[in-house]
Amino acid sequence: DVKVTQSSRYLVKRTGEKVFLECVQDMDHENMFWYRQDPGLGLRLIYFSYDVKMKEKGDIPEGYSVSREKKERFSLILESASTNQTSMYLCASRDRTPLHFGNGTRLTVT
Amino acid sequence: DAKTTQPPSMDCAEGRAANLPCNHSTISGNEYVYWYRQIHSQGPQYIIHGLKNNETNEMASLIITEDRKSSTLILPHATLRDTAVYYCIVRGIHGSSNTGKLIFGQGTTLQVKP
Repeated sequence: DVKVTQSSRYLVKRTGEKVFLECVQDMDHENMFWYRQDPGLGLRLIYFSYDVKMKEKGDIPEGYSVSREKKERFSLILESASTNQTSMYLCASRDRTPLHFGNGTRLTVT
Repeated sequence: DAKTTQPPSMDCAEGRAANLPCNHSTISGNEYVYWYRQIHSQGPQYIIHGLKNNETNEMASLIITEDRKSSTLILPHATLRDTAVYYCIVRGIHGSSNTGKLIFGQGTTLQVKP
């Protein structure tokens, strides 16, 4: 089975901090994704990557950046965390398969 | 991507079949129908997908109408662990060049009751 692992289940950070959310997949997938999920808004795509060092903006990239130095790892970076970035963050990966998701990181910015 | 419409919530008795409908009247010929579910506090889980033929796997069956404008996900013997939000998504082939970006709507909250 494909495994997508997010490094933290819960995270609490202060406004203005730089935050790193890590995601690792074990199936050699080329494509990796970061979504955020908020009540009433569903899942919204932040960024995705289709190869090492390649990235593309999703629907809501503002305030975020990403890093893909190795194929198995895709990091989401909040350069200066703000309270409106409090959310559930979901990482996913795929190749020629449907998306496989991690269990999410619930980030609270105070 | 074609838009989908699902009822916001449904109930089902434990042990009975759960039939979850989805309308996708603007679907185009090369778009697949995907179903995912999300159990509370977990990431979405892939269930099944199909193009035009009915599909079955160990989790569920997918029935797609002949005109492809709607589909039904069937959980044949629902259990309490099937309580979740179920998402119906329409997208191009999962090997297509646009990375298979999936747009998740609000889904249907299925409550399985004892």
